[in-house]
Amino acid sequence: EDQVTQSPEALRLQEGESSSLNCSYTVSGLRGLFWYRQDPGKGPEFLFTLYSAGEEKEKERLKATLTKKESFLHITAPKPEDSATYLCAGRFSGGYNKLIFGAGTRLAVHP
Amino acid sequence: NAGVTQTPKFRILKIGQSMTLQCTQDMNHNYMYWYRQDPGMGLKLIYYSVGAGITDKGEVPNGYNVSRSTTEDFPLRLELAAPSQTSVYFCASSPEQGSLYEQYFGPGTRLTVT
Repeated sequence: EDQVTQSPEALRLQEGESSSLNCSYTVSGLRGLFWYRQDPGKGPEFLFTLYSAGEEKEKERLKATLTKKESFLHITAPKPEDSATYLCAGRFSGGYNKLIFGAGTRLAVHP
Repeated sequence: NAGVTQTPKFRILKIGQSMTLQCTQDMNHNYMYWYRQDPGMGLKLIYYSVGAGITDKGEVPNGYNVSRSTTEDFPLRLELAAPSQTSVYFCASSPEQGSLYEQYFGPGTRLTVT
């Protein structure tokens, strides 16, 4: 069964303290790895798609990377407005663009 | 361009009542999805549709029904509501399959069944 697991469940950072979030997945025909940001009371907002091992994408203070077993979301010098839940999801071969989501990492960045 | 809209934003149901959660998208996407999100859990797929008139079950379809009569609308029907259906429901849409398009999500409906 295809699975996506995120760690840690929650992360508290001081403003400017860089860190990484992890997303691991079962290796059975990954067709794409997606990162979303979700603010309280809102729907997930798309951040990145990664297709193949070695690929990297950046947006402001965020950089997503992909290996054959996991993906990382690196947050460089975070600000309080980066506080949110970050979700990763995998699309696996055989699905009609169906995504399997991890439980998310709740990030809190304090001034 | 409104994207994906959902109504209502909040609803409280009594056990055994029925309701329909509305979802509309204005991006002309063929693919639409319904998810539920429970605290501490990932989004779980309830039903999805690949085009008007075509729907299929996701991971957790029991207790729900859907229809897709137009490209724009994808309502989710709850029959005989149960406390286990207390959750936040998200509708999403994506363009044609053929590339790995991201899904665009609505703002959600928070449902409580008491």
